[in-house]
Amino acid sequence: KAGVTQTPRYLIKTRGQQVTLSCSPISGHRSVSWYQQTPGQGLQFLFEYFSETQRNKGNFPGRFSGRQFSNSRSEMNVSTLELGDSALYLCASNGLAGAGELFFGEGSRLTVL
Amino acid sequence: GENVEQHPSTLSVQEGDSAVIKCTYSDSASNYFPWYKQELGKRPQLIIDIRSNVGEKKDQRIAVTLNKTAKHFSLHITETQPEDSAVYFCAASIPYGQNFVFGPGTRLSVLP
Repeated sequence: KAGVTQTPRYLIKTRGQQVTLSCSPISGHRSVSWYQQTPGQGLQFLFEYFSETQRNKGNFPGRFSGRQFSNSRSEMNVSTLELGDSALYLCASNGLAGAGELFFGEGSRLTVL
Repeated sequence: GENVEQHPSTLSVQEGDSAVIKCTYSDSASNYFPWYKQELGKRPQLIIDIRSNVGEKKDQRIAVTLNKTAKHFSLHITETQPEDSAVYFCAASIPYGQNFVFGPGTRLSVLP
C-alpha cells in the first residue's frame, strides 16, 4: 500500500506570494489533517478534512485554507506569505472515523524569503 | 482549549538504561493519547498509543501509562539502544475527528 504522498517536497517563495501544497492520502483513508512543524513551536494543527468537509480547524489566520476532493486528495493554500510561514508542512491521513493513528507524509518544506 | 506539556525537552541516557518522558494535558474530554517518534529528517511515526479506558499498555521495550485523574501520561523505554535516539512527541486528542494537540517534543540521545 502506498504511503501518504506530499508535493512539492521543497519550495522557496517570497513574501506576499501564495503557495499551494498537495497531499494524497493512503488509499481508503478519508481523513486528511495538516500540521505545521517549526523548531520553536513543534507540531501545530492546521485543519482536518473528512469526506470533503472541514471537520476541525486550528488557531491559524484565514490566510491558511484547505480543501479536499472526492478522491480524498487534499490541498492547502497559504496566501500573502510571511517570513514566519517558513516551516515543514506535514499532511497525515487516517482510516478511522474517530481518533486513531496518523500516517504522516514526508512533508513540504516551505522557505519564505 | 487543550494544552499539552512535555518534559524533559532533552534527555541523554547511556545505552541499556531506561528513559522516561512525561506529558500532562488539560482537557478531561481527551480520550486518546498517542506517542510519535521522529528521526532526523524523517516523518513522525506512531510507536505506541493508549485510550482513556486503559491505564497501561506495553509493546516490547516500550510502555505507556495513563493517569486520568491527574491528567498525565508517560512513555517508558527500557534497555535503550542507539536507534532509539530521536525526537518523541506526545499528543492528546480533541473529541470528534482527528484533531490532536502535540507536546513540544523530547530529544532523546542514547549514548553508546
